[in-house]
Amino acid sequence: GENVEQHPSTLSVQEGDSAVIKCTYSDSASNYFPWYKQELGKRPQLIIDIRSNVGEKKDQRIAVTLNKTAKHFSLHITETQPEDSAVYFCAASSQNTGNQFYFGTGTSLTVIP
Amino acid sequence: DSGVTQTPKHLITATGQRVTLRCSPRSGDLSVYWYQQSLDQGLQFLIQYYNGEERAKGNILERFSAQQFPDLHSELNLSSLELGDSALYFCASSALGGGRETQYFGPGTRLLVL
Repeated sequence: GENVEQHPSTLSVQEGDSAVIKCTYSDSASNYFPWYKQELGKRPQLIIDIRSNVGEKKDQRIAVTLNKTAKHFSLHITETQPEDSAVYFCAASSQNTGNQFYFGTGTSLTVIP
Repeated sequence: DSGVTQTPKHLITATGQRVTLRCSPRSGDLSVYWYQQSLDQGLQFLIQYYNGEERAKGNILERFSAQQFPDLHSELNLSSLELGDSALYFCASSALGGGRETQYFGPGTRLLVL
């Protein structure tokens, strides 16, 4: 099955700096890549997603890039704010596996005021 | 608020017991997914249902079972509980359960097995 690796596991940045989180996947059939933000004790919430027919997608301060050839995708957060502090999970899914999400192990992001 | 509801919010029980977790998907969503989140395992997919039928199975133990009812709500049954079953259990829903669909997560049920 699919294997998703996520790095780094922890990340600290100064407020206003950028943060980048990287994920790699193994199954070339994977075609949907969502990113979730999870605050302590709360539900994972979708922040952005990208489909395999697109190389980059932006939503205000958040962007995701996808390199299908290298099988990796990244989350970019610019102008970070303290409220961006949370755990971020990447995931990959494929129609071949019924939209089952394979999650990365998470990145704990801390934005230092 | 994602529109997905889960009950109960918290559950404390003893080893060897059986519990049932309940999930109601977003209005109109036909597919329900169950995930387990523990500190050392991250988010692990357990099982998916689509319109009452099991569609995909992940790392679900034989002691665990689930079903989706005609009104589309789902229940996850955990039996012969062990200490290691203590975790957050999330359900998520999506429209059709096919490829490239967003899944919306419920607030989770925190299970503590003593």
